[in-house]
Amino acid sequence: AQSVSQHNHHVILSEAASLELGCNYSYGGTVNLFWYVQYPGQHLQLLLKYFSGDPLVKGIKGFEAEFIKSKFSFNLRKPSVQWSDTAEYFCAVKLGRDDKIIFGKGTRLHILP
Amino acid sequence: DVKVTQSSRYLVKRTGEKVFLECVQDMDHENMFWYRQDPGLGLRLIYFSYDVKMKEKGDIPEGYSVSREKKERFSLILESASTNQTSMYLCASTPTGGSYEQYFGPGTRLTVT
Repeated sequence: AQSVSQHNHHVILSEAASLELGCNYSYGGTVNLFWYVQYPGQHLQLLLKYFSGDPLVKGIKGFEAEFIKSKFSFNLRKPSVQWSDTAEYFCAVKLGRDDKIIFGKGTRLHILP
Repeated sequence: DVKVTQSSRYLVKRTGEKVFLECVQDMDHENMFWYRQDPGLGLRLIYFSYDVKMKEKGDIPEGYSVSREKKERFSLILESASTNQTSMYLCASTPTGGSYEQYFGPGTRLTVT
């Protein structure tokens, strides 16, 4: 069955550290890729998405992600995190023509001030 | 702005009760989804609907049913609530075609005692 794997369940970083959250999916066809974020007490919102074209995608709040097709990966990065980035991050994949989206289990990011 | 609203933020029900969770979106989206969110398990799809009166089972439909009588409203029904259905329930909507970005409601935290 198709799946989305997020490698880290809980990440703790200090402010100004660099961030990379891993995401891999298992599907050989066309995919659309997403990262969603859920700040404490808030609803899930889109951080960035990849549909086609440049595999390096820039999102809100300085986040970016790179689609590497050969590795079935879509890792999220930020060069310097802030305390306000404390949140839970979800990788998600839309498979082919399906209307469903498969979510990873999430990564809780805690930034120390 | 797309707005997805859910009828309750917090709900406490007793085992065996019938529970209705309501979701309304105001952007004329064709597709609507119900997920449950549990720590360490991410978002799991319960049911989705791609049109009025149409529904499809997701990954964990057991113990749930849905109703979509109007395009803007998608209801999740727990026929006989059980303690293992204590969870955060998230509704989302998305248009067919285009960005496939899912717009989420604030969630309903259901506790079954």
